[in-house]
Formats: sequence, structure tokens, C-alpha cells
Amino acid sequence: ETGVTQTPRHLVMGMTNKKSLKCEQHLGHNAMYWYKQSAKKPLELMFVYNFKEQTENNSVPSRFSPECPNSSHLFLHLHTLQPEDSALYLCASSQEGPSGPETQYFGPGTRLLVL
Amino acid sequence: GQNIDQPTEMTATEGAIVQINCTYQTSGFNGLFWYQQHAGEAPTFLSYNVLDGLEEKGRFSSFLSRSKGYSYLLLKELQMKDSASYLCAVRDGDYKLSFGAGTTVTVRA
Repeated sequence: ETGVTQTPRHLVMGMTNKKSLKCEQHLGHNAMYWYKQSAKKPLELMFVYNFKEQTENNSVPSRFSPECPNSSHLFLHLHTLQPEDSALYLCASSQEGPSGPETQYFGPGTRLLVL
Repeated sequence: GQNIDQPTEMTATEGAIVQINCTYQTSGFNGLFWYQQHAGEAPTFLSYNVLDGLEEKGRFSSFLSRSKGYSYLLLKELQMKDSASYLCAVRDGDYKLSFGAGTTVTVRA
């Protein structure tokens, strides 16, 4: 059983809706990540949080807004999305060690469809 | 940017061996990971190589050659449950993880 959970697992939304994706990790890690996975494309890193501080914003449009209230929880707030934003959104966590981040562990993802 | 290449699809027979190659060009290197992802599920960690050579874990082995920018994942005694996508990921000099597009392996009876 994965130590990273995500809700909802599936989401359908219109372009004018506002919704939020939630991720929770039970591994005691101090870094969390949002990735976008589109069909036949590599995982794209969106955001990184270390010790609740955002350390990476990979040129993501402002219609995606992350929030990390503590080291166990991560949110992705969505508003005025486009159909091309339809994808699998994966959350991951890792432990930041003395030689950098260690292995990342992934949640099951939220399958998002924007109509 | 980073460039990570792996074949799109491979098909093999139950009980056989399949080798998935991954070549990479990155700015610096701090390790290579292999993940398995079944359809609709989370990628799960399989192996990690940071030094040259072969790492063996049961039916799965992973090899790395840093001078050649090359790795492979070897799946032995294939089982139907091994049908999945296999992702190669490289951690660059800034410890950022970049992924290949994944190789879909189909195991046939």
C-alpha cells in the first residue's frame, strides 16, 4: 500500500470551475512534488516544496496554484483550466538527505478531464 | 534541457526475458531510477543506480554505464503481471529528476 494518497481519483470540470486536488503523505518525508502526466509524454515536474517552502515552479501557468500548509499535505488549486490541461496529476514525496533528495514515492494520481 | 530516450513499446512472451534500454544526456548526473507503472496506478520504485554496474533485485536487474549515458532494465521470467509501463528517470547535477516517456511492456501468454 502506497504511503502517498491523493483525492479525488477522478475529476471532471468545466473551464469556469474551481477545484482543488489533495495529496497526503504518511512517510515522514520533508519534500513534496506535483507532476503532470499526459498520454505518451514524460512526467512533467510542476512544483516542488521542501520543508513547506516552494523551491521550484517549472513555468507552470497561474491557473494552477499550489499550497503546502505542512510537510504532510499538498494541494493543487485549479481555476479556469483549458481542455489541454486534461491529464493525470501525480503527487510524490521524498526525504531531503545530506546529499540531496532521495527516492521519490508517488501517489495514485488524479485523472482530470476538462470540458 | 535534459534528454532521456527509451523505446515506446515492447512485447514478450510469458517466461521470457526483456531488456528495456534507456539513454540519457543530462547536465550532470546524480543517479538513475527505474519505476513501474500499471495503467491507472502510481509509479512504483523498482531500482536505483548511481555507480557503474549491475544491480540485481530478484527477477529485475538494472545496469548503468555513466560514460555511455546508458542504462537498461532487465526483466527475467516474465509474468503476466509484469505488463506495465516502465519509466527511466535521471537525477541531474541539480538533483532534479527528469523522466523518459516510458516503455509499455506487453506480456503475452
